[in-house]
Amino acid sequence: SQQGEEDPQALSIQEGENATMNCSYKTSINNLQWYRQNSGRGLVHLILIRSNEREKHSGRLRVTLDTSKKSSSLLITASRAADTASYFCATDPPPKYSGGGADGLTFGKGTHLIIQP
Amino acid sequence: AAGVIQSPRHLIKEKRETATLKCYPIPRHDTVYWYQQGPGQDPQFLISFYEKMQSDKGSIPDRFSAQQFSDYHSELNMSSLELGDSALYFCASSFRQAGQPQHFGDGTRLSIL
Repeated sequence: SQQGEEDPQALSIQEGENATMNCSYKTSINNLQWYRQNSGRGLVHLILIRSNEREKHSGRLRVTLDTSKKSSSLLITASRAADTASYFCATDPPPKYSGGGADGLTFGKGTHLIIQP
Repeated sequence: AAGVIQSPRHLIKEKRETATLKCYPIPRHDTVYWYQQGPGQDPQFLISFYEKMQSDKGSIPDRFSAQQFSDYHSELNMSSLELGDSALYFCASSFRQAGQPQHFGDGTRLSIL
């Protein structure tokens, strides 16, 4: 079953505007990560937020996490044409045992972001 | 900085053939992951290896197998290929410690005719 659902599925905005994408998930998580994917290319890691964090910033990116609502948002400020891509959230579950490591990620459906020049 | 290397970049096979995809993780990363991404779909986790041992298993078909070798590179072996296996196959690597991001290769695009 899908862990993450992203909203909206597609978003088209003008260059310079802010873009906000949302992600919801169903089970307990250890971390939530956001990735960017240009058409047919690999996934580029953008930012990771731990389950005990509420907000994180990296350059023009701002991520929030609400574990009570099992949701996260990604805000890209001052968007550029080069930000055009698909954006995915991905969650990894808590380790199976104390001291255990990360397992496979569960990805959301993704938001396709188009920045109009 | 070195990234995850996957080969080949593109592969065309016919139904019922076999295919082998290769992945070379970032040096010193101890965990390798394989994902499958169908057209217009999100990536689906297949399998992972930690220190050459299978670590976690996702939605990997029985027709597929994988292993990690002593030099840490990994191979995904796919047999009795079906049309539905046409997809992008990604390898990712990371440090095992929880909370470390996974770094993805550019993928292998597998097309089944």
